[in-house]
Order: sequence, then C-alpha cells, then structure tokens
Amino acid sequence: DTGVSQNPRHKITKRGQNVTFRCDPISEHNRLYWYRQTLGQGPEFLTYFQNEAQLEKSRLLSDRFSAERPKGSFSTLEIQRTEQGDSAMYLCASEPGLLYNEQFFGPGTRLTVL
Amino acid sequence: AQSVAQPEDQVNVAEGNPLTVKCTYSVSGNPYLFWYVQYPNRGLQFLLKYITGDNLVKGSYGFEAEFNKSQTSFHLKKPSALVSDSALYFCAVSSKAGGATNKLIFGTGTLLAVQP
Repeated sequence: DTGVSQNPRHKITKRGQNVTFRCDPISEHNRLYWYRQTLGQGPEFLTYFQNEAQLEKSRLLSDRFSAERPKGSFSTLEIQRTEQGDSAMYLCASEPGLLYNEQFFGPGTRLTVL
Repeated sequence: AQSVAQPEDQVNVAEGNPLTVKCTYSVSGNPYLFWYVQYPNRGLQFLLKYITGDNLVKGSYGFEAEFNKSQTSFHLKKPSALVSDSALYFCAVSSKAGGATNKLIFGTGTLLAVQP
C-alpha cells in the first residue's frame, strides 16, 4: 500500500497523560499536514511541514502540542498533558511539492481522553 | 478570511436520481476548490478540484462540480446516484496559492443518503 499511513488507529488515554501519533506520508511527497476533526465538523488545520521545516502552525496548536518531521520523512504529533477536549480524530495528509495539487489523507488516529 | 459553507447537513436522494451537494465559499483572490468524500472509519478521499479553466470539473466515480464565480458556489453533482455514494462529503478551499502552504479550509460536511 503506497498511501498515507497513520499509527495507531485508535488511542485511549487518561487525562494528563502524553500521547504520540505517527504519520508516514507518500514517499515522494515533500509537504505534510496535520488536521484535527471533531464530531460533526470538518477537519481543521493544525500544522504544515515542507520537508523537515515546520512552516506554519495554527492557533489551535497550543503549547501542549508539538510536531516534528525529522529528515523530511515521517512525522510525529505529540500531545502533552492531554485534556478531554483533545478527543478527536487526528488526520495526516501529504502532497507533492507542486502547485495546486490535492492532498492525500491517511485513515486518521482517533484519540479518546477519559 | 477564507471560509466554506455547506448549507445542508444531510441530502436524501433516491437511487438513480440526480444529486446535488451545495457549497459556497468566501476567499480573497482566486479560489482553489476541492471536494472530498469520507466513508466511515476511513480517511478523506479526493474527488475533484477546481483551479482554473472550465467551470465544469469532472472527477472520480462519476462526480462533477460546477464553479460559479458570480454566486461564489462550487456545487457537487452526479447525474445518477448510487447507494454506494452514501457518505460524508466535504467541500474545501485552499488558503493560498503560489507554492506556499496549501492548507485546506473545510466546510462542516454534508451527509449524503441514497435510498434504494
């Protein structure tokens, strides 16, 4: 399968714990995005990488959130001291570094904070 | 600020009938518009996009969309609905063109239910 993959698919954690999600983009795509989707809403942009550089972060991304993309390959999204409001689907998408291309989404990681 | 509106939470249509899922947008500058579909427990799948050119854009699975600049709309259409088209549909606009970040701004989604 050459699509975008995300792990884990589901994560249940207790409030206050730290969690980390991983995204493996399509190999030749140099752009990578993270989005968050809550029930009944469309995905909301969190952050964007071009290769290993994090070029934009949403105001939604509080200090408890951090994302990395070492070596411009896979990316991780970490949430520290999780809160119940962090419960959502976290989506990763990758895109070729060309103008106007569509983004290819992974299946998402569903986070439940108890 | 850019925004997308999908005025219908749900659209019901009988199999074999034409379907329309509505989308309106607000952007400064030229809009770059996308439709995605989401099936249960699966990621978003790209259907089609409008960048420039013909106002009628054809995409995957027999879907098409009509760009109307004067009405700032980008409605999704299909001449004959299938039960398997039942899913959640999202309209999105790209925030910026020209090689910089292409983050998408999504509408709230429209649930399409096709009855056999």
